[in-house]
Amino acid sequence: EPEVTQTPSHQVTQMGQEVILRCVPISNHLYFYWYRQILGQKVEFLVSFYNNEISEKSEIFDDQFSVERPDGSNFTLKIRSTKLEDSAMYFCASGNWGDTEAFFGQGTRLTVV
Amino acid sequence: AQRVTQPEKLLSVFKGAPVELKCNYSYSGSPELFWYVQYSRQRLQLLLRHISRESIKGFTADLNKGETSFHLKKPFAQEEDSAMYYCALTGNFNKFYFGSGTKLNVKP
Repeated sequence: EPEVTQTPSHQVTQMGQEVILRCVPISNHLYFYWYRQILGQKVEFLVSFYNNEISEKSEIFDDQFSVERPDGSNFTLKIRSTKLEDSAMYFCASGNWGDTEAFFGQGTRLTVV
Repeated sequence: AQRVTQPEKLLSVFKGAPVELKCNYSYSGSPELFWYVQYSRQRLQLLLRHISRESIKGFTADLNKGETSFHLKKPFAQEEDSAMYYCALTGNFNKFYFGSGTKLNVKP
């Protein structure tokens, strides 16, 4: 069964550094998403991406964040200058036209020190 | 405002007992409701969605529009049901609103 895969599974970075979280969505999906879950809190929507552009973003997704689909298979989330409060589990998800279900990756745990 | 509320952070039951995980929502349009499950150290997986009206792993959930609820039920809990359960809704393709999750602990 096809899966969304994310790398790395755990990333430790120093405050102020840039990080790139990588995702390979399911190959025939057209919609891509990033969600975040701070420890002990709910899963929160960050951004959705369709047709090579952001279709919606939350207030969390400020200028420090960007997303890119650099080729036909990868979908990345970049945080330019990480802050301590960016420490969280980041989930990538993808979905298909005509189906509201989202398929989630296993997550990347980002720890900012 | 869109919101999903799961009032219980933790629910502990004995094996064989009935389980009900509560979910209430508010949404201005006609949402689609889901239950996602996250077993230890694994990804979020779709458990069921209201439009399919299926029973998955013995779980069912009925959408009650009058009470704006989508409670998850199972008549006889199993130890392997122990996991985090998230209620979620979406109104379009763009985003899910998740509840804060309920940890189900099924004791032997």
